[in-house]
Amino acid sequence: QVQLVESGGGLVKPGGSLRLSCATSGFAFSDYYMSWIRQAPGKGLEWLSYINDSSDTIYYADSVKGRVTISRDNAKNSLFLQMNSLRAEDTAVYYCARLKFRELLFDNWGQGTLVTVSS
Amino acid sequence: DIQMTQSPSSLSASVGDRVTITCRATQSISSYLNWYQQKPGKAPKLLIYVASGLQSGVPSRFSGSGSGTDFTLTISSLQPEDFATYYCQQSYSPPLTFGGGTQVEIK
Repeated sequence: QVQLVESGGGLVKPGGSLRLSCATSGFAFSDYYMSWIRQAPGKGLEWLSYINDSSDTIYYADSVKGRVTISRDNAKNSLFLQMNSLRAEDTAVYYCARLKFRELLFDNWGQGTLVTVSS
Repeated sequence: DIQMTQSPSSLSASVGDRVTITCRATQSISSYLNWYQQKPGKAPKLLIYVASGLQSGVPSRFSGSGSGTDFTLTISSLQPEDFATYYCQQSYSPPLTFGGGTQVEIK
């Protein structure tokens, strides 16, 4: 079955950096677009970024553009999110999700990893 | 960017009730509208795709309709396991925006 497992979250100081990973299994990772979505405590869902199967099409939300970089390693079936210049408002659960590319919908999600930005 | 507005933001209903949630886009998105269910502490789950397609494994009491700018999610007979928060998401163009969510609570 499809599995997505995020890791790399934790406590980081404002201005710091963090790299999130998403290990996947149960599907042909290299055939799928992938995405990151976050959810601040008690708030709604916020899409952050997506990357196509060959890494040559990438989109970012304005809220994180210039501070985050999405990437993937198809040989390792893994997705990454490098986050820099972190702010308190970046505190959230970060989900990776598989993206069905024609419809641009999220058909499978990981369980999420919590990022807390605090001094 | 396309903004998505859901209403109501919360509702109270009883088991067996018919529940309708609406989602409105700031511009036409054709039928590129998806619905997700999220339970506390869990990841969202896809319910409805492209306005009215029922995701595999989702009970038939869930249905979606609409096109253009106005969409609805209907639960025909609310069950105890349906108490959750529901989100719409437009997939017409990036950024892929979500509605603010509708929390369905037990009356």
